[in-house]
Amino acid sequence: EAQVTQNPRYLITVTGKKLTVTCSQNMNHEYMSWYRQDPGLGLRQIYYSMNVEVTDKGDVPEGYKVSRKEKRNFPLILESPSPNQTSLYFCASSYEARGNQPQHFGDGTRLSIL
Amino acid sequence: AQTVTQSQPEMSVQEAETVTLSCTYDTSESDYYLFWYKQPPSRQMILVIRQEAYKQQNATENRFSVNFQKAAKSFSLKISDSQLGDAAMYFCACTTSGTYKYIFGTGTRLKVLA
Repeated sequence: EAQVTQNPRYLITVTGKKLTVTCSQNMNHEYMSWYRQDPGLGLRQIYYSMNVEVTDKGDVPEGYKVSRKEKRNFPLILESPSPNQTSLYFCASSYEARGNQPQHFGDGTRLSIL
Repeated sequence: AQTVTQSQPEMSVQEAETVTLSCTYDTSESDYYLFWYKQPPSRQMILVIRQEAYKQQNATENRFSVNFQKAAKSFSLKISDSQLGDAAMYFCACTTSGTYKYIFGTGTRLKVLA
């Protein structure tokens, strides 16, 4: 089954404790992206990747890191999480970066930082 | 810079009636794509419909259609014969071939009344 898999689905942690949210897709997609969703703000893009070893900042990259060492994986790293990073996070992928291909979304990760 | 604006935080529609959700956007690019995504309470992100800017014909998917007014930079979603399962948050989004960034609106929550 074609899918984007994020883990964990839920996480409660404390300020400053490094964490990684994994994202994997099995569709051989070139483009992958991370978003955060906050009430009243919609989805905002954090980082995106157009292919292996090619990443770029979205609109809200501060406090996050990403890497794209393999085509299928695109982890989101919070080196020193803070309470303002409490949010719902989505990973998405599409066949290529051009927008004529729709994005497939993961099921989301609810992150709470105390 | 790209912007996407959804000015209706919440809308209601009677079952079997028609409702239109508004979206305006701004971009300096000539090659861009517009999307409507649905997010039900399960929080999955589901593509409803997409429109290529170079196509004059409005996109249609079953009960869902768009009114794409390129000069006015307007991209509204019409849902005909509304069903209880249409109740969800709806997001408008835009991406361009030049930036590869995705910009989402803040969303419209649609309630369907039985």
